[in-house]
Amino acid sequence: DAMVIQNPRYQVTQFGKPVTLSCSQTLNHNVMYWYQQKSSQAPKLLFHYYDKDFNNEADTPDNFQSRRPNTSFCFLDIRSPGLGDAAMYLCATSRDWYEQYFGPGTRLTVT
Amino acid sequence: KNQVEQSPQSLIILEGKNCTLQCNYTVSPFSNLRWYKQDTGRGPVSLTIMTFSENTKSNGRYTATLDADTKQSSLHITASQLSDSASYICVVSLLSGTYKYIFGTGTRLKVLA
Repeated sequence: DAMVIQNPRYQVTQFGKPVTLSCSQTLNHNVMYWYQQKSSQAPKLLFHYYDKDFNNEADTPDNFQSRRPNTSFCFLDIRSPGLGDAAMYLCATSRDWYEQYFGPGTRLTVT
Repeated sequence: KNQVEQSPQSLIILEGKNCTLQCNYTVSPFSNLRWYKQDTGRGPVSLTIMTFSENTKSNGRYTATLDADTKQSSLHITASQLSDSASYICVVSLLSGTYKYIFGTGTRLKVLA
């Protein structure tokens, strides 16, 4: 089945230790998004790629970076995780600005 | 300011009962409205999507309505099941050439046996 896959599902990292989350999709969608969702809050957009064009939200901390080496894959790099970065990270895709399809998320714990 | 507000914040009902969740928005210009179901620890899954001209759409036991004049939407769940326990998120998108999805904070539904 076509889908959005996120790995790992659970990630534990130490304070300040770089971590990379990955997302892949078999939908061949041209837009990919990364969201941060904290408990009982709405997902917050960090950035998105429209094709190869990277779009960073104004309030996304510099600590967060992203890479999209090809259409199918997108990575979220957190250079120096702080305790406040513990959250669920959701990847989503869409064909242009139509319906978004979300992955199952990666739960990040920072110790 | 573009906003999406959902009510109630949380809801507890007994299995088999019906319930209705509300979504009010001030997003303009409006493109479409989506309802997502998000199980705990999982990503959101789309239930319905409605454009300006649609005022009702069903997906099994889920029925969404949209009143574009009053900028209100509702999600009605019929004959609730334990598996309906989840957060339900209303998302409104702007009619724009670029990204703009406005998320509500969700309604957390708990269905009890």
